Parts: sequence; structure tokens; C-alpha cells
Amino acid sequence: EIVLTQSPATLSLSPGERASLSCGASQTVFSSYLAWYQQKPGLAPSLLIYDASNRAIGIPDRFSGSGSGTDFTLTISRLEPEDFAVYYCQQYGTSPITFGQGTRLEIK
Amino acid sequence: QLQLQESGPGLVKPSETLSLTCTVSGGSISTNYYWGWIRQPPGKGLEWIGSIHYSGNTYFNPSLKSRVTISVDTSKNQISLKLTSVTAADTSMYYCTRHLTTMLTPPWYWGQGTLVTVSS
Repeated sequence: EIVLTQSPATLSLSPGERASLSCGASQTVFSSYLAWYQQKPGLAPSLLIYDASNRAIGIPDRFSGSGSGTDFTLTISRLEPEDFAVYYCQQYGTSPITFGQGTRLEIK
Repeated sequence: QLQLQESGPGLVKPSETLSLTCTVSGGSISTNYYWGWIRQPPGKGLEWIGSIHYSGNTYFNPSLKSRVTISVDTSKNQISLKLTSVTAADTSMYYCTRHLTTMLTPPWYWGQGTLVTVSS
């Protein structure tokens, strides 16, 4: 199975700053079938980005995804207070579907 | 608007079978989408369990495949999950999901989840 490794485990930033979250894959993600989810406490994850760079419906344009092959990045251009949460990457190009261990984005 | 609602016992004894149902409203499961289950142990990350098409085509996580059954009931618009021989390691929040379309798309819709604790 494809192992996804997210870094950093925790990212401490202030509102208004730029956040870059990384997701590395143990092998090439087929067709860049990689997604990013945001999870807030007590809630189900919410899809942000799919196919590495496509924003899901209703997702603000401050969220962007990039990358291909084995290296992917989620960028939040200017952090809003509601963006502080846990973020997971997921690959769905090769079965089994796998997730990264998550990056916690916390307020500095 | 599509809604997914998980239901089932919140407490299961070790070695018994965990059984959950996902009731779909706002849309039919008899469409060209994949439906699935994902779980999350308390305070930990996400694990895909498996996905199913209403035609019966299924995909499973190999780590759970020997213990998992996923099925659909089109008359009730429900998806079910059965996990046999549970242990404390199966204690998790269980989410019902719907992929964007095919298996080569991410889970898009999620239920609110149901917490299942395995304990005697």
C-alpha cells in the first residue's frame, strides 16, 4: 500500500500568515489522485482539494493544492481563524485508499 | 441535499460482530456512485475500510478484508457494515461516505459518524 507521510506534525502560525503543509508518498500517486481534508474537533472531515489541485465546491480560493508524483503541498495563502484544524492528505489512485497521519495547524 | 446517517450499537463486546447501517436521504444509492466506510480511533488518524457500488462491486482494505462485509439494500436506501471478531483496537468513530463518483474519486459526502466502543 502507499504510505503517506505528512509534515510537519504540528504547525504553529498566526492569522494572516501563509501555511504550507506537505504530503509525501512512498510511491507515485496514480494520476495525482490526491485529496486534502480539513477536520475540526467533533466533526467529520471535509473535502478541500481533489486531484491534487482542484478545489471542492465552496472552498475559498485561499486554499490551493499542488504537486505530482510523490510530493504534494496544501497551501493556505492567508490564514483565517476558522482554518486552524487538522489536515489530512489521502490518495485514492491505488487500492487501498490511504491517508496521511495528519498535520495539526494551531494558532501561535 | 444528500445526507448520510450512521446508526448501530455504541458498545460491542470483544469477539462479537459490529453491525452498522448508513441511511441515505436526499438521493438514491442506486446511482453510479461508490459508497463506503472510513473509521477513526479516538484521537488518531483515518482508515479506509471499504467501498461498494450498488451493483455489488466492492473494494476492501486488505488489513480488514477477512473480517469485513459491506452490502447495500436498495429498497431501504441503506449501506451496511459488518466487522467480525472485534477487539479493543476496533474502537473508533465510523463514518459512512459517498465518493464523488467512481472509486477513482475521493469520498466527498460524509455522515456525522457513530462512535463504537469495544469493551466487555
